[in-house]
Amino acid sequence: EVQLVESGGGLVQPGRSLRLSCAASGFSFDDSAMHWVRQAPGKGLEWVSGISWNSGSIGYVDSVKGRFTISRDNAKNSLYLQMNSLTAEDTALYYCAKGPFYGSGSYCNGWGQGTLVTVSS
Amino acid sequence: DIQMTQSPSSLSASVADRVTITCRASQSISSYLNWYQQKPGQAPELLISAASSLQSGVPSRFSGSGSGTDFTLTISSLQPEDFATYYCQQSYNTPSTFGQGTRLEIK
Repeated sequence: EVQLVESGGGLVQPGRSLRLSCAASGFSFDDSAMHWVRQAPGKGLEWVSGISWNSGSIGYVDSVKGRFTISRDNAKNSLYLQMNSLTAEDTALYYCAKGPFYGSGSYCNGWGQGTLVTVSS
Repeated sequence: DIQMTQSPSSLSASVADRVTITCRASQSISSYLNWYQQKPGQAPELLISAASSLQSGVPSRFSGSGSGTDFTLTISSLQPEDFATYYCQQSYNTPSTFGQGTRLEIK
C-alpha cells in the first residue's frame, strides 16, 4: 500500500523558514517522480514543485522560485521542501504526491494527507 | 503559464443524473490533461490521466475526452459517493497548473 506521510508544518512568522518532509513507503520511491502540491484554506489546488527520480529534472511554480528548494534522498525514501522567506500567501496545506515520471504527461497517482503551514505574525 | 478554466464552478445534480464538466486550456496541451476528485477533508484522487485513460479502480461511469484546448469529464450516472470537487490539471509544461475546481453538489 502506498503511504506518503508529510511532516514539518506549523505556525511560522513571515520571513522565516520551514522544511517539510515526506516519508514514502509501499512503492518504488527511487523509480518515482515526486511533487509538492498545496491548497490554501478553502481554495483550489496549486502545483508547487516537482522532481524526477534522480533529481535530474526539477521545476517550480513562479511564485516560489528562488525561495523554495525541493530535494529527495532515495536512500531514505524521503522528499523534502525547504521553504525560505515565507509570506502569508504561502499559508496552505502542503501535499506530497508521487507520479510515475516527471515531465510532459506527468500525473499524481498517490497523495499524502498533507501538512499545514501557517504563516502569520 | 498555461491557464486552465473549468466550467461550471459549481453544479447541482441528482443521483442517476449524467453530468459533464468542461476544462479549457489557454493554449494547446495535446492530451496532457488529468482529472482529480477531492472529497471534503481528504487528499485528491486521480481519476483520469492523458485526457481519457481511466485509472485502475475508478468506476467506469467516469470518462474523459478531448485534446488540444477543450476537455470534458463525464459521469454517466451519478452515485452518492460522487458528490465532491473535481479538478483538471495540465502537465504539458512546467509549471503544471490546475483548474479552479468544480464543486458537484446534491440537488
